[in-house]
Amino acid sequence: AQKITQTQPGMFVQEKEAVTLDCTYDTSDPSYGLFWYKQPSSGEMIFLIYQGSYDQQNATEGRYSLNFQKARKSANLVISASQLGDSAMYFCAMREGWAKAAGNKLTFGGGTRVLVKP
Amino acid sequence: GAVVSQHPSRVICKSGTSVKIECRSLDFQATTMFWYRQFPKQSLMLMATSNEGSKATYEQGVEKDKFLINHASLTLSTLTVTSAHPEDSSFYICSAGGAAVNEQFFGPGTRLTVL
Repeated sequence: AQKITQTQPGMFVQEKEAVTLDCTYDTSDPSYGLFWYKQPSSGEMIFLIYQGSYDQQNATEGRYSLNFQKARKSANLVISASQLGDSAMYFCAMREGWAKAAGNKLTFGGGTRVLVKP
Repeated sequence: GAVVSQHPSRVICKSGTSVKIECRSLDFQATTMFWYRQFPKQSLMLMATSNEGSKATYEQGVEKDKFLINHASLTLSTLTVTSAHPEDSSFYICSAGGAAVNEQFFGPGTRLTVL
């Protein structure tokens, strides 16, 4: 079974509008972390936001917020007030188990391509 | 934030040759680094975990004799694609953990094209 599922291969969003990118995950480990990354056409992976499985509140970072619904195993990314520069691939990723100070291997979803229209 | 660099950013080689890709943590020490591969229009797939001073741990299905990993120092891990073939053409990305446990920084990637 897929550990991370992103069901939207691509979507258009109007500039200045909000967009929600879906991510569902599957793990039996009670401790895990969920990441969202943005990958523009240059290929670099840009960290956006993180949610730990024990975090009580939904994570927010500027225009990015994570809608964490633990019982449903979903971690949707909301981008508010979309900008043209938000056009990119977006990946949801999961770390299973306790976070390690030495670094953590991540499992990635298939990604969602977002195109912001002016 | 922490910076991870990769060199080269692009490489084109002939089939049968070997290519070395370097991953460096520029302002922090990384005892563990990770190597991912990304085929066009696909997601990142973890290839191996590079451990400083010890053998790398490879994911299932990744040939350790083909993808040699060396993590000789706390700031450098190298991936060598041996006897490269056109099907090895891909985008290779390394990552390392930062100071906080929720930090995972990625290098800019290396695009390998094997002719």
